[in-house]
Amino acid sequence: DSGVTQTPKHLITATGQRVTLRCSPRSGDLSVYWYQQSLDQGLQFLIQYYNGEERAKGNILERFSAQQFPDLHSELNLSSLELGDSALYFCASSVGEASGNTIYFGEGSWLTVV
Amino acid sequence: GESVGLHLPTLSVQEGDNSIINCAYSNSASDYFIWYKQESGKGPQFIIDIRSNMDKRQGQRVTVLLNKTVKHLSLQIAATQPGDSAVYFCAEDPGSARQLTFGSGTQLTVLP
Repeated sequence: DSGVTQTPKHLITATGQRVTLRCSPRSGDLSVYWYQQSLDQGLQFLIQYYNGEERAKGNILERFSAQQFPDLHSELNLSSLELGDSALYFCASSVGEASGNTIYFGEGSWLTVV
Repeated sequence: GESVGLHLPTLSVQEGDNSIINCAYSNSASDYFIWYKQESGKGPQFIIDIRSNMDKRQGQRVTVLLNKTVKHLSLQIAATQPGDSAVYFCAEDPGSARQLTFGSGTQLTVLP
């Protein structure tokens, strides 16, 4: 158990809908990351927050947004869902944001868009 | 239409043998490298890491070797066990923005 908690574990939704994925980082970790894992793209970095502020953006679609709250939990919002958004979405956390801080991953949220 | 998936390199080893998993990284500016293990349906699990100022680091039953000249990483697992069966990913951290770049992974299967 990495200590990173993600909910829900699985969800199925229809195209055009909107979902919110939730993440609680490990106790004491200030940095939160979101990654997408799909069959054809592998693990792709989406976005990073540190202590409530956005720090880095990867290949995150405009239909997707995220935030980190004062209690350090984070949410990833996916809207106008398309079939191609079906993937595993991972949250990860680390103590700091400097290189060398180990990044620990949660168990992921399986999203199926039908 | 036919779906296209990642074609993972595979490695099959006998239980008790040593395993070597290789990874080529792309960014010569990367200064930190990590190996993750991912079991089916689970998240990537940290195994071992290494900074660019080192060329070898050992953990419990695992060793990571870094060759910066050819941008190559390897993970050695000693006395491979059935529980080691998983997909192994290397990841590189360019340091400036913590955007880990993951390799495509290697599927390790441990044969009884």
